[in-house]
Amino acid sequence: DGGITQSPKYLFRKEGQNVTLSCEQNLNHDAMYWYRQDPGQGLRLIYYSQIVNDFQKGDIAEGYSVSREKKESFPLTVTSAQKNPTAFYLCASSSLRVGTEAFFGQGTRLTVV
Amino acid sequence: AQTVTQSQPEMSVQEAETVTLSCTYDTSESDYYLFWYKQPPSRQMILVIRQEAYKQQNATENRFSVNFQKAAKSFSLKISDSQLGDAAMYFCAYRRGTQAGTALIFGKGTTLSVSS
Repeated sequence: DGGITQSPKYLFRKEGQNVTLSCEQNLNHDAMYWYRQDPGQGLRLIYYSQIVNDFQKGDIAEGYSVSREKKESFPLTVTSAQKNPTAFYLCASSSLRVGTEAFFGQGTRLTVV
Repeated sequence: AQTVTQSQPEMSVQEAETVTLSCTYDTSESDYYLFWYKQPPSRQMILVIRQEAYKQQNATENRFSVNFQKAAKSFSLKISDSQLGDAAMYFCAYRRGTQAGTALIFGKGTTLSVSS
């Protein structure tokens, strides 16, 4: 089945550590996105990529980094510079056809301990 | 910059009744797309309905329909014959229509509860 796989589902991080969230898609989509979801805040864009080896910052990119070495994969690293990383993270992908919807993974819940 | 506003943090409805969720947006563009997504307790985002701004006809998907008022920049979602399975958080989203691959911009969401 085609879809987007995020792993792990739950992740715990100690203060000062970097952690990487995985996102893989087999939908043959060119564009991929990372969103952060906090209670009462909706979904806020962290980074997005429209093509391999290229990506753009979203509204809340500080403290995060990404890479896009393969079309299928768009991992997100939460660095120690991110002051409040506890949140629910959603990865999405879409085709480059104008107006198409985005498809989402099941999310990763990151908790700082 | 485009913004999306959902002014109702919470709504409730009884089974079989109809409920309308509100969404307004701000943009200077004429070509764009609007979406409603549902996020049930599983937290999986599910597309409910999509509207092209150039179409005057309101989109409909089974029990879900929209009231798209382009001049007023309003995009409300009507759920008819509500079911217990409709209980979820609903997000309104905007996407530019002039450039491929741009990200969706989301509102803060409306939590819908359904009672029997």
